[in-house]
Amino acid sequence: GAGVSQSPRYKVAKRGQDVALRCDPISGHVSLFWYQQALGQGPEFLTYFQNEAQLDKSGLPSDRFFAERPEGSVSTLKIQRTQQEDSAVYLCASSLETGEMSNQPQHFGDGTRLSIL
Amino acid sequence: AQSVTQLGSHVSVSEGALVLLRCNYSSSVPPYLFWYVQYPNQGLQLLLKYTSAATLVKGINGFEAEFKKSETSFHLTKPSAHMSDAAEYFCAVSLSGGGADGLTFGKGTHLIIQP
Repeated sequence: GAGVSQSPRYKVAKRGQDVALRCDPISGHVSLFWYQQALGQGPEFLTYFQNEAQLDKSGLPSDRFFAERPEGSVSTLKIQRTQQEDSAVYLCASSLETGEMSNQPQHFGDGTRLSIL
Repeated sequence: AQSVTQLGSHVSVSEGALVLLRCNYSSSVPPYLFWYVQYPNQGLQLLLKYTSAATLVKGINGFEAEFKKSETSFHLTKPSAHMSDAAEYFCAVSLSGGGADGLTFGKGTHLIIQP
Protein backbone atom coordinates (compact mmCIF):
# COMPACT_ATOMS: atom_id res chain seq x y z
CA GLY A 1 0.00 0.00 0.00
CA ALA A 2 0.96 3.64 -0.29
CA GLY A 3 0.65 4.61 3.35
CA VAL A 4 2.24 3.74 6.69
CA SER A 5 1.04 0.34 7.83
CA GLN A 6 0.90 -0.77 11.45
CA SER A 7 0.13 -4.17 12.90
CA PRO A 8 -1.66 -5.43 14.78
CA ARG A 9 -4.43 -2.84 14.87
CA TYR A 10 -5.50 -4.04 18.29
CA LYS A 11 -3.53 -5.89 20.95
CA VAL A 12 -4.71 -7.12 24.30
CA ALA A 13 -2.15 -8.44 26.75
CA LYS A 14 -2.03 -9.36 30.40
CA ARG A 15 0.08 -7.29 32.73
CA GLY A 16 3.62 -8.56 32.74
CA GLN A 17 3.60 -9.92 29.20
CA ASP A 18 5.90 -8.65 26.46
CA VAL A 19 4.43 -7.16 23.30
CA ALA A 20 5.83 -6.22 19.90
CA LEU A 21 4.28 -3.64 17.59
CA ARG A 22 5.23 -3.40 13.94
CA CYS A 23 5.47 -0.44 11.60
CA ASP A 24 5.95 -0.54 7.83
CA PRO A 25 6.81 2.97 6.67
CA ILE A 26 6.18 4.41 3.24
CA SER A 27 8.71 2.97 0.82
CA GLY A 28 11.80 5.14 0.56
CA HIS A 29 11.09 7.17 3.68
CA VAL A 30 14.25 7.78 5.63
CA SER A 31 12.83 9.03 8.92
CA LEU A 32 10.61 6.98 11.21
CA PHE A 33 8.94 8.08 14.42
CA TRP A 34 6.99 6.39 17.22
CA TYR A 35 4.43 8.21 19.33
CA GLN A 36 2.26 7.19 22.27
CA GLN A 37 -1.28 8.57 22.47
CA ALA A 38 -3.12 8.11 25.74
CA LEU A 39 -6.91 8.30 25.74
CA GLY A 40 -8.09 11.86 25.22
CA GLN A 41 -4.58 13.22 24.79
CA GLY A 42 -2.34 14.32 21.97
CA PRO A 43 0.42 12.03 20.72
CA GLU A 44 3.69 12.15 22.64
CA PHE A 45 7.02 11.53 20.96
CA LEU A 46 8.82 8.33 21.88
CA THR A 47 11.72 7.80 19.49
CA TYR A 48 13.14 8.68 16.05
CA PHE A 49 15.14 6.75 13.47
CA GLN A 50 17.04 7.97 10.47
CA ASN A 51 17.48 4.85 8.38
CA GLU A 52 18.66 2.21 10.87
CA ALA A 53 20.15 4.68 13.32
CA GLN A 54 18.13 5.57 16.40
CA LEU A 55 18.97 9.25 16.72
CA ASP A 56 16.63 10.19 19.54
CA LYS A 57 15.05 7.97 22.18
CA SER A 58 14.48 10.67 24.75
CA GLY A 59 10.73 10.06 24.84
CA LEU A 60 10.83 6.40 25.79
CA PRO A 61 9.20 6.31 29.25
CA SER A 62 11.30 3.53 30.74
CA ASP A 63 13.88 0.89 29.92
CA ARG A 64 11.00 -1.52 29.34
CA PHE A 65 10.48 0.21 25.99
CA PHE A 66 12.78 -0.72 23.14
CA ALA A 67 12.62 0.14 19.43
CA GLU A 68 14.63 -1.09 16.50
CA ARG A 69 14.85 -0.65 12.75
CA PRO A 70 17.65 -3.02 11.77
CA GLU A 71 17.49 -2.68 7.99
CA GLY A 72 16.30 0.88 7.82
CA SER A 73 12.74 0.07 6.76
CA VAL A 74 10.39 -1.90 9.06
CA SER A 75 10.49 -0.93 12.72
CA THR A 76 9.39 -2.76 15.84
CA LEU A 77 8.47 -1.22 19.16
CA LYS A 78 8.79 -3.70 21.99
CA ILE A 79 7.42 -3.28 25.48
CA GLN A 80 8.62 -5.68 28.12
CA ARG A 81 6.78 -6.59 31.33
CA THR A 82 3.78 -4.50 30.33
CA GLN A 83 1.91 -2.45 32.91
CA GLN A 84 -1.57 -0.98 32.86
CA GLU A 85 -0.26 2.52 32.26
CA ASP A 86 1.18 1.29 28.94
CA SER A 87 -2.38 1.09 27.58
CA ALA A 88 -2.54 3.59 24.73
CA VAL A 89 -2.55 3.94 20.98
CA TYR A 90 0.94 3.67 19.52
CA LEU A 91 1.36 5.65 16.33
CA CYS A 92 4.11 5.31 13.78
CA ALA A 93 4.99 8.04 11.29
CA SER A 94 7.49 8.26 8.46
CA SER A 95 8.96 11.11 6.50
CA LEU A 96 10.95 11.52 3.31
CA GLU A 97 13.80 13.43 4.85
CA THR A 98 16.88 14.40 2.91
CA GLY A 99 19.26 17.31 3.16
CA GLU A 100 17.37 19.55 0.79
CA MET A 101 13.89 18.30 1.64
CA SER A 102 13.97 18.31 5.40
CA ASN A 103 10.63 20.09 5.48
CA GLN A 104 8.76 17.01 4.40
CA PRO A 105 5.85 16.31 6.76
CA GLN A 106 5.31 13.16 8.76
CA HIS A 107 2.78 10.66 7.47
CA PHE A 108 1.00 8.64 10.15
CA GLY A 109 -0.28 5.10 10.29
CA ASP A 110 -3.63 4.20 11.86
CA GLY A 111 -1.94 3.05 15.05
CA THR A 112 -2.00 0.01 17.31
CA ARG A 113 -4.42 0.18 20.21
CA LEU A 114 -2.78 -1.62 23.13
CA SER A 115 -4.84 -2.66 26.13
CA ILE A 116 -3.16 -4.12 29.19
CA LEU A 117 -5.43 -6.08 31.49
CA ALA B 1 11.91 23.51 24.66
CA GLN B 2 8.69 23.73 22.76
CA SER B 3 5.07 23.50 23.77
CA VAL B 4 1.61 23.90 22.30
CA THR B 5 -1.58 25.03 23.99
CA GLN B 6 -4.95 24.42 22.39
CA LEU B 7 -7.70 26.45 24.00
CA GLY B 8 -10.92 24.54 24.31
CA SER B 9 -10.98 20.77 24.45
CA HIS B 10 -14.38 20.84 22.70
CA VAL B 11 -15.73 23.30 20.15
CA SER B 12 -19.27 23.11 18.81
CA VAL B 13 -20.47 24.98 15.74
CA SER B 14 -23.48 24.79 13.49
CA GLU B 15 -23.19 23.44 9.98
CA GLY B 16 -22.32 26.32 7.69
CA ALA B 17 -20.86 28.45 10.48
CA LEU B 18 -17.28 29.64 10.87
CA VAL B 19 -14.86 27.22 12.47
CA LEU B 20 -12.12 28.67 14.70
CA LEU B 21 -9.73 26.39 16.58
CA ARG B 22 -7.10 28.12 18.69
CA CYS B 23 -3.46 27.21 19.03
CA ASN B 24 -0.69 29.05 20.84
CA TYR B 25 2.89 27.86 20.81
CA SER B 26 6.10 28.38 22.70
CA SER B 27 9.43 27.87 20.99
CA SER B 28 12.97 29.08 21.58
CA VAL B 29 13.65 29.19 17.84
CA PRO B 30 11.51 30.02 14.81
CA PRO B 31 9.07 27.15 14.74
CA TYR B 32 7.52 24.94 12.16
CA LEU B 33 3.82 24.59 12.90
CA PHE B 34 1.30 22.00 11.83
CA TRP B 35 -2.37 21.16 12.09
CA TYR B 36 -3.41 17.53 11.92
CA VAL B 37 -6.90 15.97 11.93
CA GLN B 38 -7.75 12.60 13.44
CA TYR B 39 -10.93 10.69 12.72
CA PRO B 40 -12.03 7.91 15.10
CA ASN B 41 -9.76 4.88 15.07
CA GLN B 42 -7.49 6.40 12.48
CA GLY B 43 -4.08 8.00 12.39
CA LEU B 44 -3.37 11.69 11.91
CA GLN B 45 -3.79 13.40 8.57
CA LEU B 46 -1.91 16.59 7.80
CA LEU B 47 -4.17 19.57 7.14
CA LEU B 48 -1.50 22.22 6.65
CA LYS B 49 1.91 23.36 7.81
CA TYR B 50 3.75 26.63 8.32
CA THR B 51 7.39 26.73 7.27
CA SER B 52 8.02 30.50 7.15
CA ALA B 53 7.27 30.89 3.44
CA ALA B 54 3.96 32.70 4.05
CA THR B 55 2.09 33.65 7.19
CA LEU B 56 -1.30 32.61 5.80
CA VAL B 57 -1.28 28.93 5.02
CA LYS B 58 -3.98 27.18 3.02
CA GLY B 59 -4.59 23.51 3.61
CA ILE B 60 -6.87 20.75 2.52
CA ASN B 61 -10.66 20.62 2.91
CA GLY B 62 -10.99 24.42 2.93
CA PHE B 63 -8.98 24.97 6.11
CA GLU B 64 -6.41 27.69 6.57
CA ALA B 65 -4.27 29.03 9.40
CA GLU B 66 -2.45 32.27 10.03
CA PHE B 67 0.91 32.49 11.77
CA LYS B 68 1.09 35.51 14.08
CA LYS B 69 4.50 35.82 15.65
CA SER B 70 3.52 38.72 17.91
CA GLU B 71 0.73 36.63 19.40
CA THR B 72 2.60 33.30 19.18
CA SER B 73 -0.54 31.89 17.61
CA PHE B 74 -1.47 29.63 14.73
CA HIS B 75 -5.25 29.44 14.77
CA LEU B 76 -7.11 27.19 12.34
CA THR B 77 -10.17 28.47 10.51
CA LYS B 78 -12.72 27.37 7.95
CA PRO B 79 -15.40 29.72 6.65
CA SER B 80 -18.22 27.20 6.52
CA ALA B 81 -18.36 24.02 8.59
CA HIS B 82 -19.46 20.75 7.08
CA MET B 83 -20.71 17.69 8.92
CA SER B 84 -17.68 15.76 7.68
CA ASP B 85 -15.39 18.16 9.59
CA ALA B 86 -16.38 16.56 12.90
CA ALA B 87 -13.13 15.11 14.25
CA GLU B 88 -10.24 15.71 16.64
CA TYR B 89 -7.79 18.43 15.63
CA PHE B 90 -4.22 18.68 16.84
CA CYS B 91 -1.80 21.56 16.59
CA ALA B 92 1.89 20.64 16.63
CA VAL B 93 5.29 22.32 16.61
CA SER B 94 8.75 21.13 15.64
CA LEU B 95 12.23 22.49 15.15
CA SER B 96 12.37 21.21 11.58
CA GLY B 97 9.85 20.81 8.82
CA GLY B 98 8.80 17.51 10.31
CA GLY B 99 11.35 15.14 8.87
CA ALA B 100 14.18 15.37 11.30
CA ASP B 101 12.76 15.64 14.78
CA GLY B 102 9.70 14.65 16.73
CA LEU B 103 6.55 16.74 16.79
CA THR B 104 5.25 18.26 20.01
CA PHE B 105 1.46 18.12 20.01
CA GLY B 106 -1.24 19.97 21.87
CA LYS B 107 -3.92 18.03 23.71
CA GLY B 108 -6.36 18.37 20.86
CA THR B 109 -9.71 20.00 20.20
CA HIS B 110 -12.78 17.92 19.49
CA LEU B 111 -14.85 19.67 16.84
CA ILE B 112 -18.58 19.00 16.96
CA ILE B 113 -20.80 20.04 14.07
CA GLN B 114 -24.44 20.58 14.83
CA PRO B 115 -26.98 20.15 12.01
